[in-house]
Amino acid sequence: SAVISQKPSRDICQRGTSLTIQCQVDSQVTMMFWYRQQPGQSLTLIATANQGSEATYESGFVIDKFPISRPNLTFSTLTVSNMSPEDSSIYLCSVVGLGISYEQYFGPGTRLTVT
Amino acid sequence: AQSVTQLGSHVSVSEGALVLLRCNYSSSVPPYLFWYVQYPNQGLQLLLKYTSAATLVKGINGFEAEFKKSETSFHLTKPSAHMSDAAEYFCAVRSSSGSARQLTFGSGTQLTVLP
Repeated sequence: SAVISQKPSRDICQRGTSLTIQCQVDSQVTMMFWYRQQPGQSLTLIATANQGSEATYESGFVIDKFPISRPNLTFSTLTVSNMSPEDSSIYLCSVVGLGISYEQYFGPGTRLTVT
Repeated sequence: AQSVTQLGSHVSVSEGALVLLRCNYSSSVPPYLFWYVQYPNQGLQLLLKYTSAATLVKGINGFEAEFKKSETSFHLTKPSAHMSDAAEYFCAVRSSSGSARQLTFGSGTQLTVLP
């Protein structure tokens, strides 16, 4: 299994500002993902963070709003830009383990509140 | 395309009673199926997974699930609920022939355990 840490664990931010969330994995992984979990909702995939190339975004998410970096095989950042109260969510980093079943592991999440 | 339906957004059981959380999936190819648990203020933890081996899958904390192709179901059960089982449970599906990013989550079931 993979151990994933995220920073910060929570934050309260003002409308119009940006927050960068860090994800660190204890081993090299090929695939890293960012998910959003809005209050009382399930998880929605934002994007796949690709090492050495641009992230792949899902429908409804754009790079200008959620820029992602992946400088190496153990680290990624997600920035939530120009925040509004609608961005208040838990943001989770996830990685895929080895093996045919593509078991996914999740970080503890970053709880973001935008006021 | 694939999807997951979790019947019952909230389930309450008494301590010591059977836990049954329902999950039905839709997938055009044989699926990989997962159950995750999310404790308050934490990330997601993998409970168990089905990857086309045994149809009855045993997971952590005494949970198990049975893959029933004819019913397109993957219900989660535990013979005797503990107070510590109170959490949100998510069923997820991935196509066995798709890329890892195609992990689709259900809407979640909040389990309450009554003393």
